Amino acid sequence: EVQLVESGGGLVQPGGSLRLSCAASGFTFSSYEMNWVRQAPGKGLEWVSYISSSGSTIYYADSVKGRFTISRDNAKNSLYLQMNSLRAEDTAVYYCAREKRDSLLTNDYWGQGTLVTVSS
Amino acid sequence: QSALTQPASVSGSPGQSITISCTGTSSDVGGYNYVSWYQQHPGKAPKLMIYDVSNRPSGVSNRFSGSKSGNTASLTISGLQAEDEADYYCSSYTSSSTLRVFGTGTKVTVL
Repeated sequence: EVQLVESGGGLVQPGGSLRLSCAASGFTFSSYEMNWVRQAPGKGLEWVSYISSSGSTIYYADSVKGRFTISRDNAKNSLYLQMNSLRAEDTAVYYCAREKRDSLLTNDYWGQGTLVTVSS
Repeated sequence: QSALTQPASVSGSPGQSITISCTGTSSDVGGYNYVSWYQQHPGKAPKLMIYDVSNRPSGVSNRFSGSKSGNTASLTISGLQAEDEADYYCSSYTSSSTLRVFGTGTKVTVL
């Protein structure tokens, strides 16, 4: 069974940093591209970042470019999101999501999400 | 990059069919067949319902179908059921710098 479990969320002050993790199981993690998608309270979905299966290709949304860093450790079946210079508008539930094979930017499995709150 | 435009809400009675639109531009919806649709119940993670405009993942009811015309993609739910009440989001690849864009979301209400 495919499972994605996010962790690392919490309360952080503006300007602070946080590192999110996503533990994957039930599939060959190293063969799949991965994404982070977020959802502000009561708002819609917003794509955050993409990483290829090897980690060699990475993309970011303009809203987080230069502040967030996506990475992965295929040996540990884990995906990460390092978030720096956090702002109030980064407050959201952050989901890690697996890309469906043979499709582009289609997420067939999602984690349950981890809440990040940026507030003083 | 602006979000794709969806109606805020759509409603229908059990058994009826409804259609949710997702309007973008030639740089996203109109230019590529990488449109997907997600269903999200309150407090839950999104679930993939349609990918590559009109393909249905295994396990998703054939009451859900997708299509595209020009810069607008559509999700149709036929034989509406109470369990279909949820938020629905479209998503598309975009040739802009941001790579991917989601729709504004549509709340489906079963009357």
